[in-house]
Amino acid sequence: GAGVSQSPSNKVTEKGKDVELRCDPISGHTALYWYRQSLGQGLEFLIYFQGNSAPDKSGLPSDRFSAERTGGSVSTLTIQRTQQEDSAVYLCASSLNQGPMGDSPLHFGNGTRLTVT
Amino acid sequence: GENVEQHPSTLSVQEGDSAVIKCTYSDSASNYFPWYKQELGKGPQLIIDIRSNVGEKKDQRIAVTLNKTAKHFSLHITETQPEDSAVYFCAARPLGFGNEKLTFGTGTRLTIIP
Repeated sequence: GAGVSQSPSNKVTEKGKDVELRCDPISGHTALYWYRQSLGQGLEFLIYFQGNSAPDKSGLPSDRFSAERTGGSVSTLTIQRTQQEDSAVYLCASSLNQGPMGDSPLHFGNGTRLTVT
Repeated sequence: GENVEQHPSTLSVQEGDSAVIKCTYSDSASNYFPWYKQELGKGPQLIIDIRSNVGEKKDQRIAVTLNKTAKHFSLHITETQPEDSAVYFCAARPLGFGNEKLTFGTGTRLTIIP
């Protein structure tokens, strides 16, 4: 079946511009995550959605970063006034409903590679 | 919050030999420990996971062991093949609402030498 889809796959933008990154999760997955992966680094948590609400926004680096999810499906990560340090691969993942046991696997998309010049 | 450390950062092994990657975690409440494989230009893909009520799990050439007392877990790949070359990430997640995110290690770049 279809996996997690992210668009665009690559984005080059000038410093100071706003960008929007899109994530289409696996159908039926109610949990959605955004992670950031800098060159040669691990995965840095940004935000988690359960349905359309975001119980955990603790990883957003600054108020220039925001995310929303509509209809319990598509999510958009927006970065305003981009800076060079925002350059990274932004990964989206989805999973079945997470409960207190928290053991539903995350399924990742292939990411959006953002380059800020 | 949870902190996961992963070693080594790079590992090269001869084809056919075994590879071992080790992780430690800080939160004793963590109960779910997945391993992901990431190939160039792709997102991480789950290869095996283990829950805290199990000490070892095996799937063909891949096995994971968990020592809750010491708070460490390891990935073992036997009879390595060139297609095993990739970056591997461990992760951990505690029990309970409000703990739904996975915390990842910093990754191990595994290279299989033909």
